Amino acid sequence: AAGVIQSPRHLIKEKRETATLKCYPIPRHDTVYWYQQGPGQDPQFLISFYEKMQSDKGSIPDRFSAQQFSDYHSELNMSSLELGDSALYFCASSSGQSAQFFGPGTRLTVL
Amino acid sequence: GENVEQHPSTLSVQEGDSAVIKCTYSDSASNYFPWYKQELGKRPQLIIDIRSNVGEKKDQRIAVTLNKTAKHFSLHITETQPEDSAVYFCAARTENTGNQFYFGTGTSLTVIP
Repeated sequence: AAGVIQSPRHLIKEKRETATLKCYPIPRHDTVYWYQQGPGQDPQFLISFYEKMQSDKGSIPDRFSAQQFSDYHSELNMSSLELGDSALYFCASSSGQSAQFFGPGTRLTVL
Repeated sequence: GENVEQHPSTLSVQEGDSAVIKCTYSDSASNYFPWYKQELGKRPQLIIDIRSNVGEKKDQRIAVTLNKTAKHFSLHITETQPEDSAVYFCAARTENTGNQFYFGTGTSLTVIP
């Protein structure tokens, strides 16, 4: 069965650079979520989209933005990167009454 | 909004023993409760879920129970094996907040061979 796809899987950036993470949800899933997970921490909800509209906002910094496109893929844009942004970034998708299914994550390292 | 609390934060059991992880939630409108298992550096994987119209669900060695009155739900793992060692997260979804999921803070389970 198709799963959530994330790219890239690994990303290394310098401080103050920008990064763009991509997420392709499971086909026919209408909701996309973004999470940030630091070492030894639980996933922190950043933002979600339902049918291409932002549906909820969590602890997403102002330096980050996200959108969902007409083909339902989503991108998380991160600017002015800081050392503390180094983390695993997960995208998840769900539909109606289903659970969230997570992608493999993007490991971002900021040097 | 919904608040999900999870206990314990760490749990060590001998291989073959049972493990129980408990979560409480605050919003009585929450109606769907999945459990995720996350191994180090990997994605959270759904292992079992329960809806609010059911009191218990079992899948081989894992089971989940739900007490709507008390607003708590628990994960039970029987005959634990070393490969059960991971971090487990509970979550709750509340219908009146769309598809938003609220996660517990995780339980690190270690199964000692």
